[in-house]
Amino acid sequence: AQTVTQSQPEMSVQEAETVTLSCTYDTSESDYYLFWYKQPPSRQMILVIRQEAYKQQNATENRFSVNFQKAAKSFSLKISDSQLGDAAMYFCAYRTPGGSSNTGKLIFGQGTTLQVKP
Amino acid sequence: SQTIHQWPATLVQPVGSPLSLECTVEGTSNPNLYWYRQAAGRGLQLLFYSVGIGQISSEVPQNLSASRPQDRQFILSSKKLLLSDSGFYLCAWRGRWPEQFFGPGTRLTVL
Repeated sequence: AQTVTQSQPEMSVQEAETVTLSCTYDTSESDYYLFWYKQPPSRQMILVIRQEAYKQQNATENRFSVNFQKAAKSFSLKISDSQLGDAAMYFCAYRTPGGSSNTGKLIFGQGTTLQVKP
Repeated sequence: SQTIHQWPATLVQPVGSPLSLECTVEGTSNPNLYWYRQAAGRGLQLLFYSVGIGQISSEVPQNLSASRPQDRQFILSSKKLLLSDSGFYLCAWRGRWPEQFFGPGTRLTVL
């Protein structure tokens, strides 16, 4: 069964600096998707970034980028120029390939709480 | 554009009472729909998913059930709530893209 592990329960970063959140996963599949979601205090889950396993190029969305190492099954999130609004819980998620039913279920890690210090 | 609604936003119920949480999606058709539960300070656990009207798959055996009476409506129910049912319930939808989009959630407290 696929698993997702986030080994850092809490992280902190100074405003305007860079922080990297770690995520590892386990799967026997070769084609899948990986995501980072942000959950602010409002608790609504917000999609931050998506990575397709078949793409070697790391995904980037403005200040957010990933370091995708497929062989190592590692998927870290880098936040550059951190802002106070980045403070939230961040979840790494793996999407099952889905098969014929194409359900595409998400498997989540336990989350990393990011604190941004002014 | 697509939007997803959940209600109620918060709910306090006594043990043994029934439950009905509703999720509706606008701006899309035939979405995949999902119910997740999040315990305090923890990750999300998939409870149910649906690929179409009347089609429900359960991920975790429990006293909860789900129904999809209409294409864009997903309901989470229980006949008798337990203390362990307390948590934050999130509904999500997926269209033709691989990512899921989440609703605002319902905070359920069972006393």
